[in-house]
Amino acid sequence: GAGVSQSPSNKVTEKGKDVELRCDPISGHTALYWYRQSLGQGLEFLIYFQGNSAPDKSGLPSDRFSAERTGGSVSTLTIQRTQQEDSAVYLCASSLRRGTQETQYFGPGTRLLVL
Amino acid sequence: GEDVEQSLFLSVREGDSSVINCTYTDSSSTYLYWYKQEPGAGLQLLTYIFSNMDMKQDQRLTVLLNKKDKHLSLRIADTQTGDSAIYFCAESRPLYNFNKFYFGSGTKLNVKP
Repeated sequence: GAGVSQSPSNKVTEKGKDVELRCDPISGHTALYWYRQSLGQGLEFLIYFQGNSAPDKSGLPSDRFSAERTGGSVSTLTIQRTQQEDSAVYLCASSLRRGTQETQYFGPGTRLLVL
Repeated sequence: GEDVEQSLFLSVREGDSSVINCTYTDSSSTYLYWYKQEPGAGLQLLTYIFSNMDMKQDQRLTVLLNKKDKHLSLRIADTQTGDSAIYFCAESRPLYNFNKFYFGSGTKLNVKP
């Protein structure tokens, strides 16, 4: 597709359930980022992928959060045993580097509500 | 996060200029960015500036960078109601072999007709 897509666009789940969020980056973009945006807040970095490997997982809030990327393309972010504080918008961005300059292109986000 | 700060709100009248300000603390930043987020949407890149530049103009947008004071601003000329959105500044810092991005909390711009 022309841009970064994410699915589902909205997800309502019950506390304790697992959820899986998907990101389809722009074709050819080797870098992929996940961020979390809580209501009225800025973006909180979660994890970065270069190809299929994740050199920086430092932003994952707890071991309930994991992410993987396959084929250098689609990525999934999994949250196990969801808690109410996990409610937020989860944004994915892909990017292409040209020298030191890197521009991120964001998807529309997945709005997660944990009841 | 990570010491990128913005004021939370700005309200202007249609046709006026808007100036959104941002401060950052890390001198290793290579590029600085402005993004726009409309309700229910992801972030849309508006413009960016290399850290050794002072100014960049792109149609109605003017970016000013004061590297000494670590101050970045975005000026929108002839502001329209369609410019109402949240504006995020961001900086990229080199980390090993990739760039790490730090975003401010966003400035909500309200344009009154």
